[in-house]
Amino acid sequence: DAKTTQPNSMESNEEEPVHLPCNHSTISGTDYIHWYRQLPSQGPEYVIHGLTSNVNNRMASLAIAEDRKSSTLILHRATLRDAAVYYCILSRVNQGGKLIFGQGTELSVKP
Amino acid sequence: DAGVTQSPTHLIKTRGQHVTLRCSPISGHKSVSWYQQVLGQGPQFIFQYYEKEERGRGNFPDRFSARQFPNYSSELNVNALLLGDSALYLCASSLGTGGIQYFGAGTRLSVL
Repeated sequence: DAKTTQPNSMESNEEEPVHLPCNHSTISGTDYIHWYRQLPSQGPEYVIHGLTSNVNNRMASLAIAEDRKSSTLILHRATLRDAAVYYCILSRVNQGGKLIFGQGTELSVKP
Repeated sequence: DAGVTQSPTHLIKTRGQHVTLRCSPISGHKSVSWYQQVLGQGPQFIFQYYEKEERGRGNFPDRFSARQFPNYSSELNVNALLLGDSALYLCASSLGTGGIQYFGAGTRLSVL
């Protein structure tokens, strides 16, 4: 299983943008990059995913490096409710899309 | 619309006992996956079922088993419980075997 590397923790101020990095140097051509987050006492929640091109949705943006060895999740304006553990995951199509979670990045947001 | 529902929410068992956890997927979803999350760690994949067949299995002992029913709900069974089985057990559903997975709130299992 391809692995991802994320910082253990990050801090942000409320209403400021947050850039959460992820390294995945062993990514293969069929791996999708997924981001999930887990708020305290809840199950993980899907945030965004992409293959090669940058992606935007109502929650966040995903910037994927040209060589696909790294990606960045961008929260445009952090709120207190965005405080969570963010997981960057590689999901391989021929493995049925199983999610291999790492340790994730714990994001704290200061008012 | 109802999300993924899991029952029970909390459970206390003693070593050596057996436990059954239940999961109802989102309506229309045919795939269910199970994950174990030990405190302070990310979730670990246990099983994936699609159309009542096992499609993937993680690195867990044979004490762990699961099945999926015709209505796509699922059960996770764990036999001969060990203290180390204490964890949050998460169920996720998806339309097919890939794609976005939607998680339930989990069942917190404590083994004493």
